[in-house]
Amino acid sequence: EDKVVQSPLSLVVHEGDTVTLNCSYEVTNFRSLLWYKQEKKAPTFLFMLTSSGIEKKSGRLSSILDKKELFSILNITATQTGDSAVYLCAAEYNTDKLIFGTGTRLQVFP
Amino acid sequence: DTGVSQNPRHKITKRGQNVTFRCDPISEHNRLYWYRQTLGQGPEFLTYFQNEAQLEKSRLLSDRFSAERPKGSFSTLEIQRTEQGDSAMYLCASSLGRDAYEQYFGPGTRLTVT
Repeated sequence: EDKVVQSPLSLVVHEGDTVTLNCSYEVTNFRSLLWYKQEKKAPTFLFMLTSSGIEKKSGRLSSILDKKELFSILNITATQTGDSAVYLCAAEYNTDKLIFGTGTRLQVFP
Repeated sequence: DTGVSQNPRHKITKRGQNVTFRCDPISEHNRLYWYRQTLGQGPEFLTYFQNEAQLEKSRLLSDRFSAERPKGSFSTLEIQRTEQGDSAMYLCASSLGRDAYEQYFGPGTRLTVT
């Protein structure tokens, strides 16, 4: 059965800390790995990863994919309270079909 | 606002009633997706359309669920004889292309079945 597993489920940090969120996947016909940020409503797209070992970076966020070990990590450096959200990882299989993990709830306190 | 819109944003209904949700995609987006998200879980795929054709339905979509996109623009999702287990956030997404990263999500309709 296809699945995506995220860890930890929940994380509480202070502003300025660095966090690493994990995502492992077992998906047939894997195409890409996507990360989303979900605050109170719609998930918003962060990264799409298709190749192993190539880091994607956007400001304080970065992500990398390991297709051999079937996992991805999302790093957030110098966290801010505005980073508080649920971070979702999704594996794309076939074309445009997504299977999501349960998400990691990140809370950043001042 | 030219994003994906969903109505209503919240719906409270009694068990056994029928409910219908609407999704208006971004203009000219030909693909439209429905997902369901329960508390503490990620979104689960329900069904998707390319233009007016419904191309795939998840086995999660029981016979009580039906979705339509009659003119290839807005879509409706109807749940008949609602059950408490139907309580969830129903998310709609649309895309112009076939790549998953191009899916733009709407704000969702939160359904509570009492």
